[in-house]
Amino acid sequence: DAKTTQPPSMDCAEGRAANLPCNHSTISGNEYVYWYRQIHSQGPQYIIHGLKNNETNEMASLIITEDRKSSTLILPHATLRDTAVYYCIVRVDPGANNLFFGTGTRLTVIP
Amino acid sequence: NAGVMQNPRHLVRRRGQEARLRCSPMKGHSHVYWYRQLPEEGLKFMVYLQKENIIDESGMPKERFSAEFPKEGPSILRIQQVVRGDSAAYFCASSRPRLASSYNEQFFGPGTRLTVL
Repeated sequence: DAKTTQPPSMDCAEGRAANLPCNHSTISGNEYVYWYRQIHSQGPQYIIHGLKNNETNEMASLIITEDRKSSTLILPHATLRDTAVYYCIVRVDPGANNLFFGTGTRLTVIP
Repeated sequence: NAGVMQNPRHLVRRRGQEARLRCSPMKGHSHVYWYRQLPEEGLKFMVYLQKENIIDESGMPKERFSAEFPKEGPSILRIQQVVRGDSAAYFCASSRPRLASSYNEQFFGPGTRLTVL
C-alpha cells in the first residue's frame, strides 16, 4: 500500500471549515484513499473514501487532486466533537485485508 | 443495533500471566480483524479471521499470540506469558462478507486496554 504523509497537528476554530491535507505521491491507479478518525482513544470511525472523483457524505467532503498525488478532507463546520486524530489511508480494494494507520493528524477544534 | 463489543474494556495482568481478549462482531458480520495500538502510535494490523478460519495473520507476533473465531461465540485474542511490551490498546473490527466489487467498511469496537505490571 502507498505511504501517506500528514501534518502531525492542526487547529481549527469552531464553526469554521477544517481542511486536512494528505500527501500520497506514490499512489497506484487501483488504490483508494480512505479517511478514518479516532476520538480520544475510542475505536476508529470510518469517514469517507474515494478513487478519483471528489466525494461528499453527511460527515465530510473528500477532494482528490487530478494527479491523485494528494487529497484534502474537509469538515465544513467543525464542532468541538470533531477533535480527534484523523488518518488518511491508501490501499487497494477490494483485496486488502487490513487498514494501515500511520500517525495521522491531531485536529483540535478551538471554541 | 449493537455495535462491535469488546470485553473486558480494561485488563491488568502481571508478567507471565495469560491475557484473553474477546470480540463480538456486529450482527450479520462474519469477518473480524484485530489491531494493536501502542501509546502515541497508530493502529497496527494483527490478524484477519472468518468463522473458524484465519485468513491473514501477517501482523501477528510469531510467539505467544494466537487468535480464533469459533463457529459459536466471540473471537478471542490470546496472549500467553505477557510482558510489559504487550501493554497497549487492542481493537477489534468487523465487516460483512467481502464482495468482489465493493468496499466493506470495518466497524471498530471500543478496544481493550491491557496493562502488564
